Amino acid sequence: NAGVMQNPRHLVRRRGQEARLRCSPMKGHSHVYWYRQLPEEGLKFMVYLQKENIIDESGMPKERFSAEFPKEGPSILRIQQVVRGDSAAYFCASSPLATVPLNNEQFFGPGTRLTVL
Amino acid sequence: GENVEQHPSTLSVQEGDSAVIKCTYSDSASNYFPWYKQELGKRPQLIIDIRSNVGEKKDQRIAVTLNKTAKHFSLHITETQPEDSAVYFCAAPVGFRSNYQLIWGAGTKLIIKP
Repeated sequence: NAGVMQNPRHLVRRRGQEARLRCSPMKGHSHVYWYRQLPEEGLKFMVYLQKENIIDESGMPKERFSAEFPKEGPSILRIQQVVRGDSAAYFCASSPLATVPLNNEQFFGPGTRLTVL
Repeated sequence: GENVEQHPSTLSVQEGDSAVIKCTYSDSASNYFPWYKQELGKRPQLIIDIRSNVGEKKDQRIAVTLNKTAKHFSLHITETQPEDSAVYFCAAPVGFRSNYQLIWGAGTKLIIKP
């Protein structure tokens, strides 16, 4: 059973370009979470999705950022018109059921390190 | 507001000594408290968790204690080893997301000195 997969592992973009980050959850997992981590800082929640539904996107900037988790295929975090401040590691995590109140572990992917030049 | 505070932000201990990291949370209804370890350049991984119906849980050199009255929980690592060097994160379900999501502490960088 493969773990959570993310690609690309490293992504370099110039200011103004688009970044697409992909996350394939573990088999059987229908809950996906995206986090952003700046160097030397903690995990900042961005968005929580279930298949075809955005449950909570309150941690995601309202402009330029969007996320989806289609019925088929990976979850996508899309950043349009990237700026230098978007440079960070973006982690996704998945769980088979809701983390709370069912106390399910979140399994993290290896992350995508985005660098904006 | 919804909050999980973690202290200290950096902890340096001599190899073989114990390390303690503490988190406080704001929501008295919180009932699940995991700890994750993130080694440099790697993904966070769950190392231990505790539910609100117990006060302590141990797994070899790692233990977590929970004080629901004071709303804090702590990670204890005994006989520390070089491979314990990492950033540790606590989390708890707090506030309006508490039905489905965790709020994360800011992390503690643990340095084990040889």
